[in-house]
Amino acid sequence: QVQLVESGGGLVKPGGSLRLSCAASGFTFSDYYMSWIRQAPGKGLEWVSYISSSGTNIYYADSVKGRFSISRDIAKNSLYLQMNSLTADDTAVYFCAREAITAAGLLDSWGQGTLVTVSS
Amino acid sequence: EVVMTQSPATLSVSPGERATLSCGASQYVSSNLAWYQQKPGQAPRLLIYGASTRATGIPARFTGSGSGTDFTLTISSLQSEDFAVYYCQQYNNWPQLTFGGGTKVEIK
Repeated sequence: QVQLVESGGGLVKPGGSLRLSCAASGFTFSDYYMSWIRQAPGKGLEWVSYISSSGTNIYYADSVKGRFSISRDIAKNSLYLQMNSLTADDTAVYFCAREAITAAGLLDSWGQGTLVTVSS
Repeated sequence: EVVMTQSPATLSVSPGERATLSCGASQYVSSNLAWYQQKPGQAPRLLIYGASTRATGIPARFTGSGSGTDFTLTISSLQSEDFAVYYCQQYNNWPQLTFGGGTKVEIK
């Protein structure tokens, strides 16, 4: 079955960096668009970034543009999010999600999330 | 950006009763609207896509309706496992996905 497992979260100081990973299994990773979604404590869901199946096309939310970088490694069936210049506003659970092959933007499978806390 | 607005923020319902959740879009999104259910400490789970199509394994008591800018999720007879937070999400303006603020369905 489809499985997405995030890792790499933790406590980081303001201005610091962190790299999140998402290990995919149970489906042909190279066929699917992928996204990162985040959820601040007690808050709603916010789309962060998208990457096409080949990695050619990439988009970011304005709130992270210029600071975050999404990438994927087809050989390792993995998705990544490099986060730089972190601020307290970036504190959240970060989910990786698969976009449905029949409808771009429809998030049909989600990982359990990894918590990123930005604090001094 | 397409702003999604959900109401009410909290809905108190007794088990077995009907729950009606609303979602509005600030601009036309056609039927490119999904609903997700999220329980505490868990990831969101896809319930409805295309505004009205149930995802695999979703019980028939969940019904989605609407198109354009106004959408509704109805849970016909609430079961104990349905108490959760529900989010709507538009994907018409892909890849700039946006979510509503959520409706918490709690036990009355």
